[in-house]
Amino acid sequence: EVHLEQSGAEVKKPGESLKISCEASGYNFNFYWIAWVRQVPGKGLEWMGVIYAGDSHTTYSPSFQGQVIISADRSISTAYLQWSSLQASDTAIYYCARYDCGFDTCEKSSVVYGMNVWGQGTTVIVSS
Amino acid sequence: QSALTQPASVSGSPGQSITISCTGTSRDVGGYNLVSWYQQHPGRAPKLIIYEDTKRPSGVSNRFSGSKSGNTASLTISGPQAEDEADYYCCSFAGSIWVFGGGTKLTVL
Repeated sequence: EVHLEQSGAEVKKPGESLKISCEASGYNFNFYWIAWVRQVPGKGLEWMGVIYAGDSHTTYSPSFQGQVIISADRSISTAYLQWSSLQASDTAIYYCARYDCGFDTCEKSSVVYGMNVWGQGTTVIVSS
Repeated sequence: QSALTQPASVSGSPGQSITISCTGTSRDVGGYNLVSWYQQHPGRAPKLIIYEDTKRPSGVSNRFSGSKSGNTASLTISGPQAEDEADYYCCSFAGSIWVFGGGTKLTVL
């Protein structure tokens, strides 16, 4: 079964750093794109960026470029989202999600059509 | 890149059809056949219900259908059921990134 397991809830102070994780299982991690999506409490979904696990190529939304870093460790099939200096406005639920392309594996150049597998979400609270 | 425009809320009864619109530009919705729709129940992760403008993933009810005309995509729910009460988000490829709509809350009367 394809599954994305996210790390647990975090409570941090402004200015602290943080790295949350998304561990994939049930498929070949190297051949898929993983996205990160933010949801501020009571608000909508925001697409933050995406990484191709095979070579760690990343693309960021302009809104999040320079604010976060997306990375991956292929040896443990895990994607990450990290901050160097958190702000109160980073308080949100963060989801990782796998893009699908309609085939058993997705080459980097494959057309992906949507996020068909989601993690359970990681709640991040930033408060002094 | 601005968010796609969706109505904040819609409502309807099981005997009718409900349509949620998603308006973008030629740089996103109108430029690619890559609009997807997600359903999100409170406290749950989103679920993909429509992809590539009109296609339904396996296991998704055929009450849900997608369409597109120009820069506006639409999600139609035919005969909504109580379990369809949720938030719905459109999402479109926009050249190198993806962008979500603001979300629409569906109330089933």
